[in-house]
Amino acid sequence: QQQVKQSPQSLIVQKGGISIINCAYENTAFDYFPWYQQFPGKGPALLIAIRPDVSEKKEGRFTISFNKSAKQFSLHIMDSQPGDSATYFCAASKGGGADGLTFGKGTHLIIQP
Amino acid sequence: DAGITQSPRHKVTETGTPVTLRCHQTENHRYMYWYRQDPGHGLRLIHYSYGVKDTDKGEVSDGYSVSRSKTEDFLLTLESATSSQTSVYFCAISESWGVLQETQYFGPGTRLLVL
Repeated sequence: QQQVKQSPQSLIVQKGGISIINCAYENTAFDYFPWYQQFPGKGPALLIAIRPDVSEKKEGRFTISFNKSAKQFSLHIMDSQPGDSATYFCAASKGGGADGLTFGKGTHLIIQP
Repeated sequence: DAGITQSPRHKVTETGTPVTLRCHQTENHRYMYWYRQDPGHGLRLIHYSYGVKDTDKGEVSDGYSVSRSKTEDFLLTLESATSSQTSVYFCAISESWGVLQETQYFGPGTRLLVL
């Protein structure tokens, strides 16, 4: 049973455009939702995270939108740049996260110059 | 990579051979995790540790064991490697208290090929 479903699997966006990646979760006990960015040959790195008590969080060009009733959250990358080309993973955890993160399957994002 | 090293970085081994991967941290974080990453599966939790000698199973723990005798080291052992364990293995750490507890920092990964 996949607890965090991520879409699309791959995405191509023109430079300057908006990249949107969506995730849906099933476990209502999840209370922390991070997004990770991974470049080839590197480990994932935390990009931005949100808790369900807020509907949106923005850090620079990156925004998380959260819909608790729909059990969905999404990552928006504004003014997408070629350097944003990477694989993005959504994830979720519960109860402080001590027992690990549950990841989506990832989205391979390509920003065309 | 937040003071996390993994060794070896690359390994080729044969089916049936025991393999041990090491994760070493210099951050004195309490929680440590082992994940595997496979195409089309994202990252999946194998085992985790919430303190010295305190470990628990994750989603895909069959065929793996772990040990943590010191805060800074978390070992992952493939008891008898199989081709299905060919993967990239990531270690992660997180702080022990407060709102930063959930933030996990990942190491550079170990690429394992089982022939």
